[in-house]
Amino acid sequence: DAGVTQSPTHLIKTRGQQVTLRCSPKSGHDTVSWYQQALGQGPQFIFQYYEEEERQRGNFPDRFSGHQFPNYSSELNVNALLLGDSALYLCASSHRLDFLSYEQYFGPGTRLTVT
Amino acid sequence: SQQGEEDPQALSIQEGENATMNCSYKTSINNLQWYRQNSGRGLVHLILIRSNEREKHSGRLRVTLDTSKKSSSLLITASRAADTASYFCARNRNAGNMLTFGGGTRLMVKP
Repeated sequence: DAGVTQSPTHLIKTRGQQVTLRCSPKSGHDTVSWYQQALGQGPQFIFQYYEEEERQRGNFPDRFSGHQFPNYSSELNVNALLLGDSALYLCASSHRLDFLSYEQYFGPGTRLTVT
Repeated sequence: SQQGEEDPQALSIQEGENATMNCSYKTSINNLQWYRQNSGRGLVHLILIRSNEREKHSGRLRVTLDTSKKSSSLLITASRAADTASYFCARNRNAGNMLTFGGGTRLMVKP
């Protein structure tokens, strides 16, 4: 089992550009969440996709958008990049333990640097 | 904003000693999870404790939860240099699985 995979590993972009990050969930997982982790801080929830729809969203502007494909893989798109978007972007896929509990498996992340 | 806060922010101990990290939160939870992160890489899930549980063990890890005080602690016994990492608590409080993370505790275990 390959676990959660993300691509690319590293990315350098210029202010104003657009970027697309990709995630493949762990086998058997149907829910994908995206988190942004700034240097020295904890991850912050961006949004979550289930059945190809955005199910929950954190406090992020509309410049952040996503998509989930029928095979459960997902993309995170960020438009009009700002210097403050520089961060580690983590993808997580979920396994339900019981009615109220999920266990999340995180990918290795994509390090985005905006110059 | 991050509504789970870890304490201390940084901890340095010798190999063989125990390390205790604390986490406080402000609202009710379904469960609380602890994660480890090495050098800005992906997060590794350590333990999930549900709101109706008070203590859980996994190997050298022990997690306690006090919902009346809205706090949790992670104890690593007989620490090793390989335990050097950042440790995060993450709160889940709705029917989905959105996690709210604290700022983390940076643990250094000296050989």
